[in-house]
Amino acid sequence: DVKVTQSSRYLVKRTGEKVFLECVQDMDHENMFWYRQDPGLGLRLIYFSYDVKMKEKGDIPEGYSVSREKKERFSLILESASTNQTSMYLCASRPPGARGNTEAFFGQGTRLTVV
Amino acid sequence: DAKTTQPPSMDCAEGRAANLPCNHSTISGNEYVYWYRQIHSQGPQYIIHGLKNNETNEMASLIITEDRKSSTLILPHATLRDTAVYYCIVRVGYSGNQFYFGTGTSLTVIP
Repeated sequence: DVKVTQSSRYLVKRTGEKVFLECVQDMDHENMFWYRQDPGLGLRLIYFSYDVKMKEKGDIPEGYSVSREKKERFSLILESASTNQTSMYLCASRPPGARGNTEAFFGQGTRLTVV
Repeated sequence: DAKTTQPPSMDCAEGRAANLPCNHSTISGNEYVYWYRQIHSQGPQYIIHGLKNNETNEMASLIITEDRKSSTLILPHATLRDTAVYYCIVRVGYSGNQFYFGTGTSLTVIP
């Protein structure tokens, strides 16, 4: 089974801290994604990466950056955490496929609280 | 990018079929329709996907209209464990990799 592992289920950080959310997948997938999920807003795409060192912005990249130094690991970085970044963060990975006909696999999520 | 519209909530009696609609009127020819569900406090779980033809697997059936502007996810015999938020997603085909989620439909299966 594909496994997408997020390093923490719960995190509490202070305003202004630099925060790293880590995601690791064990199936050699090229594509990886970071979403945030907020009540009433569904899942919103922050960033995705389609290869090592490659990244593209999603719908809401402001206040975030990402790092993909190795294929299996995709990190989301909050350079200076703010209270409006309190949210559930979900990582996903997806293999390439002919015409993109492949499913994405999700981690369990990290609930981040910024105080 | 094609977007989706789903009703915010639905109820279904246990043992009955749950039919969850989705509108994706701006879908383009190479975009697949995916369905995921999310049970509280868990990551989204893949259910099914399709391009033009109807699809069926052990979890559900997917009915896509001939013009591809809408689809319906069918859970044939809903159980209490099917209570979840269901997301209809139209991804960008070929060069695109994004899965753009909307707000989904919160399905409650009633005993």
